[in-house]
Amino acid sequence: DQQVKQNSPSLSVQEGRISILNCDYTNSMFDYFLWYKKYPAEGPTFLISISSIKDKNEDGRFTVFLNKSAKHLSLHIVPSQPGDSAVYFCAASARTGNQFYFGTGTSLTVIP
Amino acid sequence: GAGVSQSPSNKVTEKGKDVELRCDPISGHTALYWYRQRLGQGLEFLIYFQGNSAPDKSGLPSDRFSAERTGESVSTLTIQRTQQEDSAVYLCASSLAWDDTEAFFGQGTRLTVV
Repeated sequence: DQQVKQNSPSLSVQEGRISILNCDYTNSMFDYFLWYKKYPAEGPTFLISISSIKDKNEDGRFTVFLNKSAKHLSLHIVPSQPGDSAVYFCAASARTGNQFYFGTGTSLTVIP
Repeated sequence: GAGVSQSPSNKVTEKGKDVELRCDPISGHTALYWYRQRLGQGLEFLIYFQGNSAPDKSGLPSDRFSAERTGESVSTLTIQRTQQEDSAVYLCASSLAWDDTEAFFGQGTRLTVV
């Protein structure tokens, strides 16, 4: 039972344009959401997070939007750079739990 | 080192053999997690430790899988009588406390069962 879903396995974007990565979740108990970035042969690294009390969080070129009613979050990368090419995982957790639930990942390719 | 360390980085084993995967978390991190990623799939939760105890073993796929942690530090994930479907990258993560919402990952162990 996949509680966190990333329905786009891959995405290609031109350098300088906006990359939008989407994530949906089913468990209404989730109250903290994270994005991880993963390069080949490396472990995932934390990118940005958002608490359910917010609907937007920005960190430089990265912005995460949360729509609680739709159980949907998205990661925007503006402007996209070739070094952003990686697999991006959306993850969710509940304060009452101790487990991170991950999506299946979206492979982003930024074309120079 | 400053990060989560996993060993070996690669392991090829014959079907039916036992394997042990090791994780050294960040010093002082009380929570430790094991995940695996099979080819073409997302990260799959296996087990987590709070200190040396594992309150949640629900993710272990079968009784061939076991894990332990000692000294609130090193953890080993053991797979007995490996099967080809066990081939995956096994990732370990640690976090400062059990209710911390950010985990730091190791580079993973790529296990190939032939």
